[in-house]
Amino acid sequence: SQKIEQNSEALNIQEGKTATLTCNYTNYSPAYLQWYRQDPGRGPVFLLLIRENEKEKRKERLKVTFDTTLKQSLFHITASQPADSATYLCALDGAGGFKTIFGAGTRLFVKA
Amino acid sequence: NAGVTQTPKFQVLKTGQSMTLQCAQDMNHNSMYWYRQDPGMGLRLIYYSASEGTTDKGEVPNGYNVSRLNKREFSLRLESAAPSQTSVYFCASSEEGGNQPQHFGDGTRLSIL
Repeated sequence: SQKIEQNSEALNIQEGKTATLTCNYTNYSPAYLQWYRQDPGRGPVFLLLIRENEKEKRKERLKVTFDTTLKQSLFHITASQPADSATYLCALDGAGGFKTIFGAGTRLFVKA
Repeated sequence: NAGVTQTPKFQVLKTGQSMTLQCAQDMNHNSMYWYRQDPGMGLRLIYYSASEGTTDKGEVPNGYNVSRLNKREFSLRLESAAPSQTSVYFCASSEEGGNQPQHFGDGTRLSIL
């Protein structure tokens, strides 16, 4: 069955450093990959979408890579701030599909 | 601009009771979705509506029904609640076409005793 793996252990980093979160998947060939942010008690908020033919995408301090050979996406937050502390979800989509598959998320703590 | 609004925010039910969760969006989106989120698990799709007038099953549809009332509103109904349906339920919407970023509400926290 299709499976998405995100590190279940929380990631703790110091303010100003780069946070790198990993999303691995198996038994799936997604056409699109998305990253969302979720704060406690709130719904997920869309951050970035990357297509299978794109290697990298950037938005302000955020960078996403998508390696379809390794079946992996990396999500980077540069110059991290305490306000970046949240859970980050990886999500996969097939082409033209509505049945998005979400990972369980990785909790990020940025210490001042 | 409220985005996606879900009601109620919290609810406690007894086993066997029925309930309808409401969702409305004001972004003129064609597609709407219902997910459940359980501890340690990713969001799981219950049902979706690609466009007004259509609904389709997701990964975990058993025990649920949905109604796409109009373009703005998409409701989720539990006919006979079971403890296994204790969860946080999220509604989302997106522009038509699939593979679009989804906009989520802040969820309904449902406990079934």
